[in-house]
Amino acid sequence: GENVEQHPSTLSVQEGDSAVIKCTYSDSASNYFPWYKQELGKGPQLIIDIRSNVGEKKDQRIAVTLNKTAKHFSLHITETQPEDSAVYFCAASWTGGTSYGKLTFGQGTILTVHP
Amino acid sequence: DGGITQSPKYLFRKEGQNVTLSCEQNLNHDAMYWYRQDPGQGLRLIYYSQIVNDFQKGDIAEGYSVSREKKESFPLTVTSAQKNPTAFYLCASRIVAGGMNTEAFFGQGTRLTVV
Repeated sequence: GENVEQHPSTLSVQEGDSAVIKCTYSDSASNYFPWYKQELGKGPQLIIDIRSNVGEKKDQRIAVTLNKTAKHFSLHITETQPEDSAVYFCAASWTGGTSYGKLTFGQGTILTVHP
Repeated sequence: DGGITQSPKYLFRKEGQNVTLSCEQNLNHDAMYWYRQDPGQGLRLIYYSQIVNDFQKGDIAEGYSVSREKKESFPLTVTSAQKNPTAFYLCASRIVAGGMNTEAFFGQGTRLTVV
């Protein structure tokens, strides 16, 4: 089955710096890669996603890149702000075969932005 | 308002008892998921269901059971066979029918504590 590895587990940056979180996946059939942000005591919320037919997607200060050959994808946050501090999760999914609809998450990254 | 609701928010269980966590959605989503969250371990998939009356084991299904009798509901039972049930449990739903890969929406979670 699919395995998603996420690094780093913790990331500390100064306000205004950029933050990068990386994930690798094992199943080359995966075709959907979302990123979620989780604040303390709450459920995760989608911040950006990318499909396998696209190499890069950007939404204001957030961008995601996908390298299908190497089977890895990354989240980039520019001009970080203290309110970006949270736990971030990557995930991978595909809609085919015996694992139809399975959504597998990485281990999470605790991002801390210092004012 | 459309959304996904988990109840209760906090749950205490005595050792040896079964307990059922509720998850209801009114988003007309076909797929539903249960995840367990422990510190440093990310979101681990317990069970998922693509359609009514069908469900699949995730990566850590032992000691848990589910049912999917209605599209809107996907209750999770934590049985006495689960050796370490204290954790934060998250339910999610999304659309996967027809090969679609869409955003998963999460509930606010249930924190289960064994006393």
